[in-house]
Amino acid sequence: NAGVMQNPRHLVRRRGQEARLRCSPMKGHSHVYWYRQLPEEGLKFMVYLQKENIIDESGMPKERFSAEFPKEGPSILRIQQVVRGDSAAYFCASSPEKTEAFFGQGTRLTVV
Amino acid sequence: QKEVEQDPGPLSVPEGAIVSLNCTYSNSAFQYFMWYRQYSRKGPELLMYTYSSGNKEDGRFTAQVDKSSKYISLFIRDSQPSDSATYLCASWGTGFQKLVFGTGTRLLVSP
Repeated sequence: NAGVMQNPRHLVRRRGQEARLRCSPMKGHSHVYWYRQLPEEGLKFMVYLQKENIIDESGMPKERFSAEFPKEGPSILRIQQVVRGDSAAYFCASSPEKTEAFFGQGTRLTVV
Repeated sequence: QKEVEQDPGPLSVPEGAIVSLNCTYSNSAFQYFMWYRQYSRKGPELLMYTYSSGNKEDGRFTAQVDKSSKYISLFIRDSQPSDSATYLCASWGTGFQKLVFGTGTRLLVSP
């Protein structure tokens, strides 16, 4: 059983471009969580999704950020018109039914 | 007040020492707690998952929860240089809608 898969591992975008981050949860896991981590800081919750539904997006900026978890395929975190302040590591976690949560290796976004 | 608090460290110990890592939390509704280990530029790795008060042991690791004082601990016996990492405590928030993390404690184990 493969772990949580995130891609790409590293992503470089110019200011104003779009960034798409993908997360494939572990097999059998229907709960997906996205977190952002800035250097030397803790993990900040962004959004919680179940298949085809956003359950809690209280940590997501109101503009430019969106997330989805379609019936088929990976969960996507989308950042439109990126700015330098979006540079961070973005982690995805999956959970089977609200027990342990397992994290992927993250996507490191650099905005130049 | 942050919901989960940790001393950021760094905590420096010699190889073979017993390490004690601690967190406090403010929300008395928290019941499910986790400890993660994170190496530099890697994702958090789940070490321990505990429910309510008591102890749980797994190899060199022991997790302890004291709900009366809202205190969570992780003990590492016979620490190794490979244990050098940042240790994060976390709790499920209300309704399992999100994991609430402490800021992490950086541990350095010297040979």
